[in-house]
Amino acid sequence: GENVEQHPSTLSVQEGDSAVIKCTYSDSASNYFPWYKQELGKRPQLIIDIRSNVGEKKDQRIAVTLNKTAKHFSLHITETQPEDSAVYFCAAPLGGKGAQKLVFGQGTRLTINP
Amino acid sequence: GAGVSQSPSNKVTEKGKDVELRCDPISGHTALYWYRQSLGQGLEFLIYFQGNSAPDKSGLPSDRFSAERTGGSVSTLTIQRTQQEDSAVYLCASTGTQRETQYFGPGTRLLVL
Repeated sequence: GENVEQHPSTLSVQEGDSAVIKCTYSDSASNYFPWYKQELGKRPQLIIDIRSNVGEKKDQRIAVTLNKTAKHFSLHITETQPEDSAVYFCAAPLGGKGAQKLVFGQGTRLTINP
Repeated sequence: GAGVSQSPSNKVTEKGKDVELRCDPISGHTALYWYRQSLGQGLEFLIYFQGNSAPDKSGLPSDRFSAERTGGSVSTLTIQRTQQEDSAVYLCASTGTQRETQYFGPGTRLLVL
């Protein structure tokens, strides 16, 4: 079926190191790939997104890469800081042209160890 | 401008009672989603409204759950005969005409005793 798979489910890194979270999607027509961050007790918020006409996008310490052929995209966080600790969700629009519904991955709980 | 709002922010009810949760999307947003998030879990899709199209109800867990979107704006999620396993945070999100970025409301925390 149409879905978005996200790995790993939990990730623990030392402060200052990099973190990478990966997602795969099933619909080759998907053309928009956002990443959301959810801090404890708060709502998910968009942190970065990428469209299918580019392979990489960066915003300060975060970046997203997209491989359309392999149908996967990744979130990269460099020089991690304690405030990066949160749950991260990827998403992709599934359902073919026109009738797309944004579907979320299962989430990754990122913990930054001081 | 104003973001997505939800009410109530917290709801405590007794098992077997009906509850109504409200979502006010961002003005002009055509798409509206409802999700359920249990403690420490991911976003469970419930229902999706897009303009005047028939809603996608494929995520509703049982016939006790229903939702309406009146006038293409405000949406109400109704849970009938609540059960303890319905306890969760119910999140609403809306998107604009590009049907891309979702803006989430603060959620309603439901506790069924």
